[in-house]
Amino acid sequence: DTAVSQTPKYLVTQMGNDKSIKCEQNLGHDTMYWYKQDSKKFLKIMFSYNNKELIINETVPNRFSPKSPDKAHLNLHINSLELGDSAVYFCASSHTRTGFAGELFFGEGSRLTVL
Amino acid sequence: LAKTTQPISMDSYEGQEVNITCSHNNIATNDYITWYQQFPSQGPRFIIQGYKTKVTNEVASLFIPADRKSSTLSLPRVSLSDTAVYYCLVGDPQTGANNLFFGTGTRLTVIP
Repeated sequence: DTAVSQTPKYLVTQMGNDKSIKCEQNLGHDTMYWYKQDSKKFLKIMFSYNNKELIINETVPNRFSPKSPDKAHLNLHINSLELGDSAVYFCASSHTRTGFAGELFFGEGSRLTVL
Repeated sequence: LAKTTQPISMDSYEGQEVNITCSHNNIATNDYITWYQQFPSQGPRFIIQGYKTKVTNEVASLFIPADRKSSTLSLPRVSLSDTAVYYCLVGDPQTGANNLFFGTGTRLTVIP
């Protein structure tokens, strides 16, 4: 009964390939996020979706394209992978109550290695 | 957006109280302060959130002085399992900014 689940957990691929990471939450939350954590452990927001609409896009190359088919899912597609894309990608969700964003619930992360 | 500054790392012996301070000199009126804990190979986990004075839950306490330019996360009687990275976030929950910007975090190592 994982609240926020991501697949795959590990992904090893060659430069130039296209890959996707999937995220699902069963918490009924209305906002979902993607974060990137690099080798130095800096955790940076990439995207935020509220009710399937993009509300945050933080200076992320357009090779990264989030897709939210419904409130419970936020997938991340990456085109033309580069070495610098190697990182752990975390999906998270939160619930907004009366205009007040609640705390984040994170998935376990997807470690992407680009060779 | 308020920038946060935390110590890079701290060590503590088991059983001691640990205080981790976060500086946020440019905190705005509507900003809240939130702390997360991250274990290796896991996503961060919410610990505590506050606006002013003191907040306490079953895990930690959060002390916020009157000027709100800093905050201190207090972990009572730490154990080895408290070894983790602790992140301080500052932002307005009404805009969702409270969930966006993680700092560098403080790596706490608890020593037997």
